[in-house]
Amino acid sequence: KQEVTQIPAALSVPEGENLVLNCSFTDSAIYNLQWFRQDPGKGLTSLLLIQSSQREQTSGRLNASLDKSSGRSTLYIAASQPGDSATYLCAATDSNYQLIWGAGTKLIIKP
Amino acid sequence: EAEVAQSPRYKITEKSQAVAFWCDPISGHATLYWYRQILGQGPELLVQFQDESVVDDSQLPKDRFSAERLKGVDSTLKIQPAELGDSAMYLCASTLSGKNNEQFFGPGTRLTVL
Repeated sequence: KQEVTQIPAALSVPEGENLVLNCSFTDSAIYNLQWFRQDPGKGLTSLLLIQSSQREQTSGRLNASLDKSSGRSTLYIAASQPGDSATYLCAATDSNYQLIWGAGTKLIIKP
Repeated sequence: EAEVAQSPRYKITEKSQAVAFWCDPISGHATLYWYRQILGQGPELLVQFQDESVVDDSQLPKDRFSAERLKGVDSTLKIQPAELGDSAMYLCASTLSGKNNEQFFGPGTRLTVL
């Protein structure tokens, strides 16, 4: 059974720093991996989707990587801003085409 | 830009009452998902539709929850009777197909059961 883990559960960094969020999964047989952002009390915004055949995807200051062999994905945020403060969730699409979710990392960017 | 629509955005109800949530997926998206998200946790899949058919409702508490997508477009999720433990965010998502496609989420319905 696929399990997705995100560590740490919370992270606080000063504005301007580059940072990395981690996501690990137990079963490498995934179709893709998605990173989402969630603001307090709000829905989910898709940030990046990496297909299983890809190694990374980039959008603006965000870069997501995927290493299926090690069961890891990372989300790199460059030059962090206070507006980046949110909870970031990763989810892997499993063999039933369903998303298996991590619990998220709550990110706080201090001005 | 096309979006997934959900209503209401917020719902407060008393336990034992009935509640209903509505979702309109992005036009052309055949697959629709309902999730429940408890604060501090990742979403939990309740039901998955492919057009009007249920693909997976194994995690749906069928004694009190029901979901339908009669014409294969919009969908309704109902809870009757609501319990205190049902307080959560209910999220709807859609995708063009079930494989290798991005899921797009609506704004969610925040349910509070008193």
